Formats: sequence, structure tokens, C-alpha cells
Amino acid sequence: EDKVVQSPLSLVVHEGDTVTLNCSYEVTNFRSLLWYKQEKKAPTFLFMLTSSGIEKKSGRLSSILDKKELFSILNITATQTGDSAVYLCAVELASSEKLVFGKGTKLTVNP
Amino acid sequence: EAGVTQFPSHSVIEKGQTVTLRCDPISGHDNLYWYRRVMGKEIKFLLHFVKESKQDESGMPNNRFLAERTGGTYSTLKVQPAELEDSGVYFCASSQGRGGLVDTQYFGPGTRLTVL
Repeated sequence: EDKVVQSPLSLVVHEGDTVTLNCSYEVTNFRSLLWYKQEKKAPTFLFMLTSSGIEKKSGRLSSILDKKELFSILNITATQTGDSAVYLCAVELASSEKLVFGKGTKLTVNP
Repeated sequence: EAGVTQFPSHSVIEKGQTVTLRCDPISGHDNLYWYRRVMGKEIKFLLHFVKESKQDESGMPNNRFLAERTGGTYSTLKVQPAELEDSGVYFCASSQGRGGLVDTQYFGPGTRLTVL
């Protein structure tokens, strides 16, 4: 069965800290890995990763994929209270285009 | 550009009643997906439309769920009759459709369904 596992499930840090969120996967037919940020409502797209070892960066957020070890990490440097959200990792299957999600990591950034 | 919209944002119904959820995808997006998150679990795929055709409905839980996308624009998901275990948040997503190439799915805010 296709599976995506995120860790930790929950994380509480102080403003200014750096955090690393983990996502490992075990799927039959990998196409891409996506990270989303969900605050109150709609999951908002952050990154799509298809190739190993190429870092994607957007401001204080960055992500990298390791297709050999089957995992990805999402880094957030100099965290701010506005980074508080649930971060979702999902793998898109090549065979069907559907996304398989992990349970998410709930990040709380305290002032 | 308007994002994916869903209606209603929250629906509370009694067991045995019928509910219809609506999703309006981003204009011009051929692909439309429905997902569901039940409490404590991960978001799970329900089905995928390409224009008005069902491409993959392998995630639909049972025949009480009926999805349509007439005309290939907005989609509805009807639950009839609703059961307690149908409670959850129903998300809709859309993507442009790039003929099998890598494509990004954009999500709506979800409809929270509570069945009492």
C-alpha cells in the first residue's frame, strides 16, 4: 500500500529557531513530491520536487528530495509566528496522478 | 486569478439525509480532484475528473457517494444517505492538465461535513 509518513507530528518552537520537517515515502510509482502549508483553510502549495539533490528555495523555506533513500525535508530558518501551520507532504503517483498524503506536521511558533 | 472555491464551508446534517457539496476549479483547469480528511487521519483521494469524464474513482468509499462534473466546469459531490462515518473535511483540487507531465494541484478551502 502506498504510504507517506511525516515526522514529527507536532513541533513547538520559538521565533528565530530553525526547524526541519521530515517526510518519508513508500509508493509504487513515484512522479513528484509536494509540500503544502495549511493554516486555517486551503492547503497552499509550497514546493514540488521531482529530482534528487536539487534544493528548492523560497525565502526562508527550502526543501530537498532524496529518491534513493525515499525522503524529503522541509527547512524553515528564522521562524516567525506566521509560519505556524500544518505542513503537509504528498506524493503524486505517476500511474494515476492522485496525491498520497502524510498526516502533516503541526508547527507552532511562539513569540 | 481566483483560486479553487468550495460551497458550503460547513454543513451539519442528520444521519440519513442528503448533502451536496460544490467545487469550482480554477478557470481553465481540466483536472479536478476530490479528497477527504476524516478526524485524526490523513487526507485521502476520492476521485479525479479530466474535463467531464471520471478518470479515476478508486477512492470513492461506496455507492452512497456520487460525483458529477457536467460540462467540465464545476463539480458536485452528493452523499445520499449520509452516515456518521462520512463526517470530515472534503477538499477539492484542480490542476491545469499537461498531458501526463508534472502538474501542480491547487486546493480549495474544504467543506466541513458533520453528520449527527
